[in-house]
Amino acid sequence: QKEVEQDPGPLSVPEGAIVSLNCTYSNSAFQYFMWYRQYSRKGPELLMYTYSSGNKEDGRFTAQVDKSSKYISLFIRDSQPSDSATYLCAMRPYNFNKFYFGSGTKLNVKP
Amino acid sequence: EPEVTQTPSHQVTQMGQEVILRCVPISNHLYFYWYRQILGQKVEFLVSFYNNEISEKSEIFDDQFSVERPDGSNFTLKIRSTKLEDSAMYFCATRRTDTQYFGPGTRLTVL
Repeated sequence: QKEVEQDPGPLSVPEGAIVSLNCTYSNSAFQYFMWYRQYSRKGPELLMYTYSSGNKEDGRFTAQVDKSSKYISLFIRDSQPSDSATYLCAMRPYNFNKFYFGSGTKLNVKP
Repeated sequence: EPEVTQTPSHQVTQMGQEVILRCVPISNHLYFYWYRQILGQKVEFLVSFYNNEISEKSEIFDDQFSVERPDGSNFTLKIRSTKLEDSAMYFCATRRTDTQYFGPGTRLTVL
């Protein structure tokens, strides 16, 4: 079983739609959860960071962590064509250096 | 806003040659990472580095790879004898506390 599972997509939505991106994980020791956005041939850009469980909102983006289900989500409201990218989830256990990445979900927002 | 920088942006080399990829971390960051991403594939962890030593490495990071901080600021990845399958984007990432920030990457092409 992979440490982090993420549907690769592609996910295609019309402009203005609400997008839901998800990852599941198997290691209950994960404490730090991140979402990155990666445009083609660019480095991953940190979007959201959450420690342990709960929700966090930043503009059009909301990150949720459900540790009981080992499930994290990223919601994008009022999606824009500029949101078209690959979204990577990443997580890390407390007191460990290594980050574990999902395989990324490719999102296409159509005008 | 401070950024991770990487040089060169693109490196072309012949199979069997040695390459050194360079990264300048964000000032006061203490944890350093190298990742690899083959075109169209997932981000793969190579190695993490803290306090002048490797803290974790993946099975990809074999004897052909090495890392060091030669002058207290740069962080380098050396590939001793490149193979065709080393062609990929190489990303440096650094962190101070909970989250890591990525550089723009070096595209390595092995001919």
